[in-house]
Amino acid sequence: AQTVTQSQPEMSVQEAETVTLSCTYDTSESDYYLFWYKQPPSRQMILVIRQEAYKQQNATENRFSVNFQKAAKSFSLKISDSQLGDAAMYFCAYTTSGTYKYIFGTGTRLKVLA
Amino acid sequence: SQTIHQWPATLVQPVGSPLSLECTVEGTSNPNLYWYRQAAGRGLQLLFYSVGIGQISSEVPQNLSASRPQDRQFILSSKKLLLSDSGFYLCAWSPPAYNEQFFGPGTRLTVL
Repeated sequence: AQTVTQSQPEMSVQEAETVTLSCTYDTSESDYYLFWYKQPPSRQMILVIRQEAYKQQNATENRFSVNFQKAAKSFSLKISDSQLGDAAMYFCAYTTSGTYKYIFGTGTRLKVLA
Repeated sequence: SQTIHQWPATLVQPVGSPLSLECTVEGTSNPNLYWYRQAAGRGLQLLFYSVGIGQISSEVPQNLSASRPQDRQFILSSKKLLLSDSGFYLCAWSPPAYNEQFFGPGTRLTVL
């Protein structure tokens, strides 16, 4: 069965510094997608970044980038130049092509210190 | 552009009372629709998903049910709420044959 593991329940980062959130997953599929979602205090889930497994290049969205290691089944999120507005719960999610089900990790709470 | 609505935003219900949460999507047709529950401090648990009108797949056996009476409307119901039904309920949609999901603002349900 597919699983997604986020081993860091909580992380802290100083404003303007860089932080990396970890995510590992387990699957026997070859065609799948990985996502990072942000859930601020409003609890609205916001897509931060997505990665297709067939792409070797790591996805990047402004200050957010991923380190996708397919062989190691690792999908970490790097946030550069952290801002107070980045404080939120971050969820890693997985889905396979042709299915409709997401599997979410348990989340990492990120605190940004001024 | 597409938007997704959920209501109510907040709900407090006594144990044993019925429940109806509604989710609607605008600006798209034939979306895949999902209901998730998030317990306090926890991840998201998929409850139901639907790929078309009247087509509902249940992921977790429980006292909740879902219906899709219209293409862009998804309803979560219960005949008798339990204390354990308390949580944050999120509706999401995705375009057909596309893997990215978009979430609604959620409903906070407290069962007393």
